[in-house]
Amino acid sequence: DAKTTQPNSMESNEEEPVHLPCNHSTISGTDYIHWYRQLPSQGPEYVIHGLTSNVNNRMASLAIAEDRKSSTLILHRATLRDAAVYYCILRDVPYSGAGSYQLTFGKGTKLSVIP
Amino acid sequence: KAGVTQTPRYLIKTRGQQVTLSCSPISGHRSVSWYQQTPGQGLQFLFEYFSETQRNKGNFPGRFSGRQFSNSRSEMNVSTLELGDSALYLCASTPPGHGTGELFFGEGSRLTVL
Repeated sequence: DAKTTQPNSMESNEEEPVHLPCNHSTISGTDYIHWYRQLPSQGPEYVIHGLTSNVNNRMASLAIAEDRKSSTLILHRATLRDAAVYYCILRDVPYSGAGSYQLTFGKGTKLSVIP
Repeated sequence: KAGVTQTPRYLIKTRGQQVTLSCSPISGHRSVSWYQQTPGQGLQFLFEYFSETQRNKGNFPGRFSGRQFSNSRSEMNVSTLELGDSALYLCASTPPGHGTGELFFGEGSRLTVL
């Protein structure tokens, strides 16, 4: 899997938007961009994923650069519960949807939310 | 719908012993993968099983093994435990069919080796 680069840590005030950046300059055309987060003392939790277009779900938005070399996870209103380590991961998924479900985690970004 | 269940949640072993960890995936999920998480190395892929067959394996010594049963439940075993095996062991399952393979993780089994 191609490598991603994220800041080690970020801070945000509660109820403000948060933009978590991820660089993936060696991304290939078939790599999906996945985001997971890990709250303290829990397993990682899926947040969102995308390929080329921006994506929205109930948890967050994913903005993908036109050249796909970077992406940004957007939390629209940070809450204390959003304090976690956020992982940006690239995953090559064959069209058939088959293949091994292996994720290569980096160090992630530790997000702190200030009340 | 029940999530991924891992047992035991916490356990303490001594060097040289062996340990078996269990994972029950979400109902209907046939792929189960295992990860080791340590403060120094972060989250590292151990292996993945699908329909009772190991489909992929990470870069871990042969002391680490696993298996999957016909009901998709999985176990992993670590033999001849070393201090460095102290870690959080996470299991994840994946729904079948098309898609990008979202992983659903359990809360993990925290192993301490003394």
